[in-house]
Amino acid sequence: DAKTTQPNSMESNEEEPVHLPCNHSTISGTDYIHWYRQLPSQGPEYVIHGLTSNVNNRMASLAIAEDRKSSTLILHRATLRDAAVYYCILLNSGGSNYKLTFGKGTLLTVNP
Amino acid sequence: DSGVTQTPKHLITATGQRVTLRCSPRSGDLSVYWYQQSLDQGLQFLIHYYNGEERAKGNILERFSAQQFPDLHSELNLSSLELGDSALYFCASSEGLTGGALPWWDTQYFGPGTRLTVL
Repeated sequence: DAKTTQPNSMESNEEEPVHLPCNHSTISGTDYIHWYRQLPSQGPEYVIHGLTSNVNNRMASLAIAEDRKSSTLILHRATLRDAAVYYCILLNSGGSNYKLTFGKGTLLTVNP
Repeated sequence: DSGVTQTPKHLITATGQRVTLRCSPRSGDLSVYWYQQSLDQGLQFLIHYYNGEERAKGNILERFSAQQFPDLHSELNLSSLELGDSALYFCASSEGLTGGALPWWDTQYFGPGTRLTVL
């Protein structure tokens, strides 16, 4: 199974951009890259996902390397509410069965 | 509030016992997922149901089972409980627009979780 590697923790200052990296060197051609985050004492919530092209939504941007072996979640202006554990996830959809690989997650601290 | 409800919020039981966790998905969502989150294992996917049928299994133990009922609510049954089963159990739901074949195309909405403590 393809695995992901993320830094255990990162720090940022409020109002500054944050780049959260994820390595997935064994990613296969059919693996989708998803990012979820988990705020303190809450369930995870969807952030963004992509396959090959960079993606933008109202929460964040996802930059995917050309060889797809790494990706970066970009929070353009971090706020205190962005403090959470960010999970980089690969989804391999092998037909009706699929495998999910969770990274350990990156704990993002946002300083005021 | 995600619209996904889970009961009970907390559950304390003894080793060897059996418990049932319940999940009500968001109105209209056809897919339900179960996850386990523990300090040492992190967040792990357990199982996915779409419209009453099992779609995929993750790291679910044989002592655990789940089902999704006609009204689309789901139950996760944990039996012969061990100390290591103590964890936060999350349920999530999604629309299931793709018929459950590619569930993660759909945004998943997570419930608040059930904290299980096995003594």
